[in-house]
Amino acid sequence: GAVVSQHPSWVICKSGTSVKIECRSLDFQATTMFWYRQFPKQSLMLMATSNEGSKATYEQGVEKDKFLINHASLTLSTLTVTSAHPEDSSFYICSARGRGGSYEQYFGPGTRLTVT
Amino acid sequence: AQSVAQPEDQVNVAEGNPLTVKCTYSVSGNPYLFWYVQYPNRGLQFLLKYITGDNLVKGSYGFEAEFNKSQTSFHLKKPSALVSDSALYFCAVRDMPPNDYKLSFGAGTTVTVRA
Repeated sequence: GAVVSQHPSWVICKSGTSVKIECRSLDFQATTMFWYRQFPKQSLMLMATSNEGSKATYEQGVEKDKFLINHASLTLSTLTVTSAHPEDSSFYICSARGRGGSYEQYFGPGTRLTVT
Repeated sequence: AQSVAQPEDQVNVAEGNPLTVKCTYSVSGNPYLFWYVQYPNRGLQFLLKYITGDNLVKGSYGFEAEFNKSQTSFHLKKPSALVSDSALYFCAVRDMPPNDYKLSFGAGTTVTVRA
């Protein structure tokens, strides 16, 4: 149980274009989803938190107009990187948390974004 | 603010030897602590958590962690390491309310188990 998928697993896009990454909870309802960014051999940096049906809460320093997050249902959240630039190249990981008092997060396999 | 520290960037052990990955914490109140493992180009996998109860927590893949309040530590251990345990390990702590839905992660420790 508690499986989270991400699609695509890797993507290459040209500078100036937008790319959408999907995060799905496959066998549970995710009331809260998180988006992280990870640089090589570094820890995870929380970008934003999204709750189903409401606007995402962005961490300080994360541009909300550049990283659009939509949590349209209890099993799907999307991250759209708009007008991508090479510095946006990174490993993006989503996680999901279900209902109740459990605090652990279940992570997706990550998406490797390369902007050329 | 809640935080965890992983003092070692790298840990190298021989297969069959005990493995310890260190984590210390700094919290206000009771800590909710977690260990995750990440394999190359993959997301994080949950290993174990401490919320309350026994100080020795058993988790997945033969790992366990010992919560030590006096030393503010939550070290991850495995009695006999396998080559397949080679990965990046993260300690994490739940943030305080009203941000208790968030986790704060340590910098990570790269474990290499040599055959």
